[in-house]
Amino acid sequence: DAGITQSPRHKVTETGTPVTLRCHQTENHRYMYWYRQDPGHGLRLIHYSYGVKDTDKGEVSDGYSVSRSKTEDFLLTLESATSSQTSVYFCAISEMAGSQPQHFGDGTRLSIL
Amino acid sequence: GESVGLHLPTLSVQEGDNSIINCAYSNSASDYFIWYKQESGKGPQFIIDIRSNMDKRQGQRVTVLLNKTVKHLSLQIAATQPGDSAVYFCAENSGGGADGLTFGKGTHLIIQP
Repeated sequence: DAGITQSPRHKVTETGTPVTLRCHQTENHRYMYWYRQDPGHGLRLIHYSYGVKDTDKGEVSDGYSVSRSKTEDFLLTLESATSSQTSVYFCAISEMAGSQPQHFGDGTRLSIL
Repeated sequence: GESVGLHLPTLSVQEGDNSIINCAYSNSASDYFIWYKQESGKGPQFIIDIRSNMDKRQGQRVTVLLNKTVKHLSLQIAATQPGDSAVYFCAENSGGGADGLTFGKGTHLIIQP
C-alpha cells in the first residue's frame, strides 16, 4: 500500500468552526489531491498540488483552502465549516499527473452539525 | 464538462462466476484509464490501468478491455470471490493537466454465495 496517512480519520464539529485535515505521504510523489465523496456524486476534486507551494483549484473549491509547505504534507482547511461540507474527504498522491494512477488514503469522515 | 459514467449501478453475480463491469467515457482525447475498487470505509484501491495504445491488459484475475471506437471500457473479474464485493469505478485523464483524472460514480458488485 502507498504510504498515505490522513488525520483525523473522524471528526464532528459545529457550523462556523475552522477545520484542518492533514494528508501525509512517505512516497515523495510530486502530485497531491484532495477529493470529497458524496452519495450520487462520486469523487470530486477540491484542490490539488503539483509541487511545494504550488496549488490550484479543482471542481468544488469554494469554501476550502490548501497549503503545501513541504513535499510530504498537504493540508485542507475549511475556514468556516458549513453543513454542506459534511462528507468523506480523500487525499491522493501521484508520481505523474494523468499518466500514472493516483493512490488514495483511507479518508476522513467529517460531520458538520 | 465531459465525465465518465457507468452503465449499471449494481451488479449481482454468483460466487465463482465471472463479473463484467462496464464504463462509458465521452472524451475521445482521453488516453489513460484506470479501474479502482473501493470497500466500505476505505479509500479507492488501484486495480489496473490501460493506455489508449492498447485494447486489452491483464492482471491477476482481472482484465481491462478498451474499445476506443465506441468509447467503452470494461473490467472483467474471473472466478469472483466474496472478497470482490465492493464498489468499482473507472477514471480517465480527460483534463490532460495536473488535475489528473475524472472519475465515474461507481458500480456496486455484490457476490451471491
